[in-house]
Amino acid sequence: GAVVSQHPSRVICKSGTSVKIECRSLDFQATTMFWYRQFPKQSLMLMATSNEGSKATYEQGVEKDKFLINHASLTLSTLTVTSAHPEDSSFYICSARAQGENTEAFFGQGTRLTVV
Amino acid sequence: DAKTTQPNSMESNEEEPVHLPCNHSTISGTDYIHWYRQLPSQGPEYVIHGLTSNVNNRMASLAIAEDRKSSTLILHRATLRDAAVYYCILRDGNSGYALNFGKGTSLLVTP
Repeated sequence: GAVVSQHPSRVICKSGTSVKIECRSLDFQATTMFWYRQFPKQSLMLMATSNEGSKATYEQGVEKDKFLINHASLTLSTLTVTSAHPEDSSFYICSARAQGENTEAFFGQGTRLTVV
Repeated sequence: DAKTTQPNSMESNEEEPVHLPCNHSTISGTDYIHWYRQLPSQGPEYVIHGLTSNVNNRMASLAIAEDRKSSTLILHRATLRDAAVYYCILRDGNSGYALNFGKGTSLLVTP
């Protein structure tokens, strides 16, 4: 089946620095990708919808200037956590769907971010 | 998306069948029933989806009630690798929006 690759799988950074997470669709083109965040023992929470060639759409309460999303090609979306704080420590997951009605979604492996 | 209700947790013995229920009484006519599962420290993975008829694939079976207000994911022989959180999600077939995850059912499989 289709594969979504997310990198890095784990990252530790210092407070105040920025971290970039990449999400690639390896064998299909994804005009839309989604970014989720998951805190321990909680469900996935949608952060934003990434649209190729246009601005991302952010969910209520998600700071667009803090979580920068770039979707420059049909196979790559990036999420940059800027000026990271310890409360940004979480599991970040991207998702993509191939074009077509009601297709299944594919998810990356997730990125465990720890801000110290 | 319409809301789904699942038990918080279930337990099964290895090599026995598992029936994971999901209630979705407010389902609309264009909503597909999707199931995903998430193993510890991994992203979710697709399991199965259907609209009205029961569905089978290599991973599981999906039994959909005639009135579509409930469905059951069936794992025919649970293995330790099936221990995960299982999410039942309704998705409008015409929608390009993201999946909205509820709390899901945490399945424990014991040897």
